[in-house]
Amino acid sequence: AQSVTQLDSQVPVFEEAPVELRCNYSSSVSVYLFWYVQYPNQGLQLLLKYLSGSTLVKGINGFEAEFNKSQTSFHLRKPSVHISDTAEYFCAVRGAQGGSEKLVFGKGTKLTVNP
Amino acid sequence: DSGVTQTPKHLITATGQRVTLRCSPRSGDLSVYWYQQSLDQGLQFLIQYYNGEERAKGNILERFSAQQFPDLHSELNLSSLELGDSALYFCASSAGLLNTEAFFGQGTRLTVV
Repeated sequence: AQSVTQLDSQVPVFEEAPVELRCNYSSSVSVYLFWYVQYPNQGLQLLLKYLSGSTLVKGINGFEAEFNKSQTSFHLRKPSVHISDTAEYFCAVRGAQGGSEKLVFGKGTKLTVNP
Repeated sequence: DSGVTQTPKHLITATGQRVTLRCSPRSGDLSVYWYQQSLDQGLQFLIQYYNGEERAKGNILERFSAQQFPDLHSELNLSSLELGDSALYFCASSAGLLNTEAFFGQGTRLTVV
């Protein structure tokens, strides 16, 4: 079984500042990791994913994340945020070995970008 | 647009009633997932179908059931509704099993009054 902990429920930042949204996971098997974004009254949109290979993955809208196996973390970063990045961000994990492809989500981090 | 279509977008119904939520996956996707999003529980996996067969079950209540039809669309049936069933219900689809990502629909917001 997997679990995900998003360490911050809310992150306020100013426009053009850097941001890091933290995610830790727990799993007894190898995993795939994902970050999704949810804008108000919308569905979930995939930002980026880690399946294998390079531990630094780049996604849409200038976001990137780094997989750290020893620290079981997958933190999301953006060097300079925009007002339009205001949304809720979800980290998710699934087992990499089949059986079930269900995603286990963290509780979410609300990012608010202020002018 | 993810390509996953959910209907209806909003649903208001009374306690004790039964509703059906519908999901059309992206063209060609064989796997369909249902998730429930509520303020207290967050995003919870309910059930997964793959090519018409149930593949995995999460914390789905016995009052809830789902199926995937030969044309690959899926329906989630919720019966004997309670106030606590009020939530956003998402459908997601993926092409296959391993090495694939899930694409989410816009959700159906269910309000039980």
